Amino acid sequence: EDQVTQSPEALRLQEGESSSLNCSYTVSGLRGLFWYRQDPGKGPEFLFTLYSAGEEKEKERLKATLTKKESFLHITAPKPEDSATYLCAVQAGSGGYQKVTFGTGTKLQVIP
Amino acid sequence: DTEVTQTPKHLVMGMTNKKSLKCEQHMGHRAMYWYKQKAKKPPELMFVYSYEKLSINESVPSRFSPECPNSSLLNLHLHALQPEDSALYLCASSQGTGANVLTFGAGSRLTVL
Repeated sequence: EDQVTQSPEALRLQEGESSSLNCSYTVSGLRGLFWYRQDPGKGPEFLFTLYSAGEEKEKERLKATLTKKESFLHITAPKPEDSATYLCAVQAGSGGYQKVTFGTGTKLQVIP
Repeated sequence: DTEVTQTPKHLVMGMTNKKSLKCEQHMGHRAMYWYKQKAKKPPELMFVYSYEKLSINESVPSRFSPECPNSSLLNLHLHALQPEDSALYLCASSQGTGANVLTFGAGSRLTVL
């Protein structure tokens, strides 16, 4: 069974204090790894897709990386508006519908 | 503004009521999904409609029934729900069912009394 584990569960940072969120996964036949941001009471918002080990994607203060077993979301000099829950999801399998498995998320709080 | 529109945003219903949640997308996506999300938990897949074919998470009880009138609309009919069904219900769509990005709606917050 596909498994996705995110750590830490919660992270509190001072504004400008860089850090990383971890997403470890065990799947058979990875098709894609996704990062989403979710604000309270709202739907997840897409950030990145990574398809193969060694791939990196960047957007503003965020950078996502992928290895064969885990992905990191690096946050450089975060701002209070980066506060949200960050969800990692993996899509695996072949043919037909390929199930997406979400991790439990990391709740990030950035303090001014 | 989100490109997946869900109505209503909030719904309160009794255990004997029948209600429906609605979802609409105009991005030409061929797959639409219903997810259930409880507080501090990840979204959990309930149903997928893709190319007019329905896939079901077998753990979803029959008091939830999806309906896809056309490729842009997805409804979730609710009947005889239990208080533990209270949650945020998220609709999403994607271009297909390969490794495609999910575009989520803002969600419908359901409270069952």
